[in-house]
Amino acid sequence: EVQLVESGGGLVQPGRSMKLSCAASGFTFSNYGMAWVRQAPTKGLEWVATISYDGSSTYYRDSVKGRFTISRDNAKSTLYLQMNSLRSEDTATYYCTRVGYGLFAYWGQGTLVTVSS
Amino acid sequence: DIQMTQSPASLSASLEEIVTITCQASQDIGNYLSWYQQKPGKSPQLLIHSATSLADGVPSRFSGSRSGTQYSLKINRLQVEDTGIYYCLQHYSAPYTFGAGTKLELK
Repeated sequence: EVQLVESGGGLVQPGRSMKLSCAASGFTFSNYGMAWVRQAPTKGLEWVATISYDGSSTYYRDSVKGRFTISRDNAKSTLYLQMNSLRSEDTATYYCTRVGYGLFAYWGQGTLVTVSS
Repeated sequence: DIQMTQSPASLSASLEEIVTITCQASQDIGNYLSWYQQKPGKSPQLLIHSATSLADGVPSRFSGSRSGTQYSLKINRLQVEDTGIYYCLQHYSAPYTFGAGTKLELK
């Protein structure tokens, strides 16, 4: 069974940094692209970033480019999202997803990031 | 960026009724369209991929169709467990974009 478990969320001040992690199990992590999708409170879904199966290619939405970095450790079956210079508009639940049919084939339970002073 | 215009924003339907939700893409996206269901307090789940293919484990009362750049999700014989918010997603080109969502409730 595919399992994706996010961690690292919480309350952070504007301008500060936070790093999210996603522990994957139930599949061969190194065979799949991965992505982060976020959802602001009571709002819709928004793609954030994608990384290829081997980490050689990464893609970001414009609003996080230069501030967020997606990475992975295939030996640890873990996906990361380093978030710098956080803004209030980054407040959201961040979901770790496995790429597959339909793009976001499997989702974690999410971790809430609140950017506030 | 490709815009996905989803309608209706909300929908109230009766048990066993047929429900249709649509997404209009702002340009050709081929079959790079999927549908997700999100229940309150839960993460989204894939229902349909490649515009018309049912994801594993999804009941056969769900179906997807395409007509040009308009995509539809149809639910035959609505059940209680089908309530929630439905989103379409285009993954033809980045930035990948979701529709605004359709909130489906039981009448």
